[in-house]
Formats: sequence, C-alpha cells, structure tokens
Amino acid sequence: DQQVKQNSPSLSVQEGRISILNCDYTNSMFDYFLWYKKYPAEGPTFLISISSIKDKNEDGRFTVFLNKSAKHLSLHIVPSQPGDSAVYFCAAHTGTASKLTFGTGTRLQVTL
Amino acid sequence: GAGVSQSPRYKVAKRGQDVALRCDPISGHVSLFWYQQALGQGPEFLTYFQNEAQLDKSGLPSDRFFAERPEGSVSTLKIQRTQQEDSAVYLCASSWGGGEETQYFGPGTRLLVL
Repeated sequence: DQQVKQNSPSLSVQEGRISILNCDYTNSMFDYFLWYKKYPAEGPTFLISISSIKDKNEDGRFTVFLNKSAKHLSLHIVPSQPGDSAVYFCAAHTGTASKLTFGTGTRLQVTL
Repeated sequence: GAGVSQSPRYKVAKRGQDVALRCDPISGHVSLFWYQQALGQGPEFLTYFQNEAQLDKSGLPSDRFFAERPEGSVSTLKIQRTQQEDSAVYLCASSWGGGEETQYFGPGTRLLVL
C-alpha cells in the first residue's frame, strides 16, 4: 500500500528552465510534507517543507505547492541548475506519528 | 559533529553473520529514527526513539532486527543471522523532538549480505 506516490521515475530539464516534480498521497491524516534531495552514496538532504495549513511555501529557487483536496503536492525549481541533478523524494507524516513515509523518488537531470 | 554520522559506511557480511550499525545523531536531538532503503525505493521506516525510549518499532521486519539507544544519544541497529534480503542502505535520522520537525539524515550504511 503506497501511501505516497511519485509516478515519474525520471525527469530531464534544460538548465535555466523550470523543473516540476509531483507527488500524490492517499492518507488524509498526513499533515506535514517534506522534500528531500539525494545524491549517490549520500543520505537524503532536507530541501523544503510545508504544513497542511498552507498551500505554498517558497525558499529561494524552490517552491512547494500543496493541494489538499487533490491530495497532491509539487516542487518547483526555477531556474534549474546542473547541480540540482539528483533524486528527489517526497515524504509525509502525521503529527501523532513522527515516522516519515516516503515516495519512491524522481531522478532529475538538468542538462546544459 | 555538525551532522548525523553513521558507521561503518559499508559492510559486507556472510549470510548468518550478526552485524551492528552505529548512528551518532546531531547533538541535542531528542528523536532518532532508523530507515531501510532498498535499491530503487524510498526509505522505509524501521524504528523510532525519543531519548532512550523506543516508542515505535512497528517497521522492524523481523525479530532478527533489534535497536537500542541506552543513553539517549548514540544508537545501534543490530541484525542477527543476516539474510540476503537484508541487503540495503540503512539510514539514521535525528530531529529536535517528536512533532512537525525536519529529520536530518546521516550518509547511511550500505549492507551487502552474501
């Protein structure tokens, strides 16, 4: 039972353009969502998060949008840079259960 | 240290061998988590500590897996009688407390069971 889904295993974007990574979830009890970035042979690095009481959170080039009615969130990276090439994981948890539930990841490649 | 550290970074074990994986969380972090990441998958929750108390071990796949955090700081994940299906990356994460907080991950221990 995959409660957090990232349906695109990979995405290729040109440098300078916008990257949009998508995530869907099924558990309506999730109230906090996070995006992590992972390089090979390293642990996931926290990128940005959003509480369920908000619909948008922005941090520099990164913006996360949350659509609770659709149980969908997305990460926008603009402009995309070659150093953004990594695997991006969407994760969620409920306030009462601290464990994170992760999606399967989307590999982003930013080309020159 | 500044971040979460884990050791060893790589471990090769023969099937049936016991292994112990260590996690040093960020200083002062109350909560500590262990996750298992299989190839091509996202991390999956194993167990959670708040200080020395193990509050959730629902993700441990079998009784061969055991975790402890006796002094509320360093944690050890032990796998007894390893099997080939235990081959994965084991990630440790820590956070300030148990609420809506960011979890910070270590580099992981890659375990290969032959």
